[in-house]
Amino acid sequence: AQSVTQLGSHVSVSEGALVLLRCNYSSSVPPYLFWYVQYPNQGLQLLLKYTTGATLVKGINGFEAEFKKSETSFHLTKPSAHMSDAAEYFCAVNTNDYKLSFGAGTTVTVRA
Amino acid sequence: NAGVMQNPRHLVRRRGQEARLRCSPMKGHSHVYWYRQLPEEGLKFMVYLQKENIIDESGMPKERFSAEFPKEGPSILRIQQVVRGDSAAYFCASSSTSGSSYNEQFFGPGTRLTVL
Repeated sequence: AQSVTQLGSHVSVSEGALVLLRCNYSSSVPPYLFWYVQYPNQGLQLLLKYTTGATLVKGINGFEAEFKKSETSFHLTKPSAHMSDAAEYFCAVNTNDYKLSFGAGTTVTVRA
Repeated sequence: NAGVMQNPRHLVRRRGQEARLRCSPMKGHSHVYWYRQLPEEGLKFMVYLQKENIIDESGMPKERFSAEFPKEGPSILRIQQVVRGDSAAYFCASSSTSGSSYNEQFFGPGTRLTVL
């Protein structure tokens, strides 16, 4: 069985500041890891995913995440926040099938 | 190309009534997944369907809940005799090929069910 923990249900950052969203997972087998973003009144959109290979994954809108097996982490970062980054972000994991397991989500607000 | 459509977006029911949630997958997608998000929790897998077949319903409560994906028309998640604990956001996702971990699932905007 796999599970995901997102540290911090709400994160507030200033425009132009670093965005860091934390995600830790547990899995008994090598995981596939995902970050999704949900803008108000829209569906979840895939930001990036890690399956195999390079542990630093680049996604859309300037986001990237690094898979650290030793820390069982997959933290999401963006060097400079933009107002349009205000949204809810979900980390998810699956192993060898289609069942995604999601964290509880982190809501990001961006201050002007 | 329209994304995954869900309706209604918001649904209010009284205890004991039935709730029907609809999901139209992306064009060309024949695999549908339903997830439920309870307050303060992450999305949890409920059921995986292909056209006219339930492939995996291991995450769906055994009683009162059912799902279908007919040959024509949207996928339906039905909840009979709703209780307050059914209040949640229900998300539908679809994918184009077999339901493997490599295949991206595209999500709809969700249906927020409130049971009074």
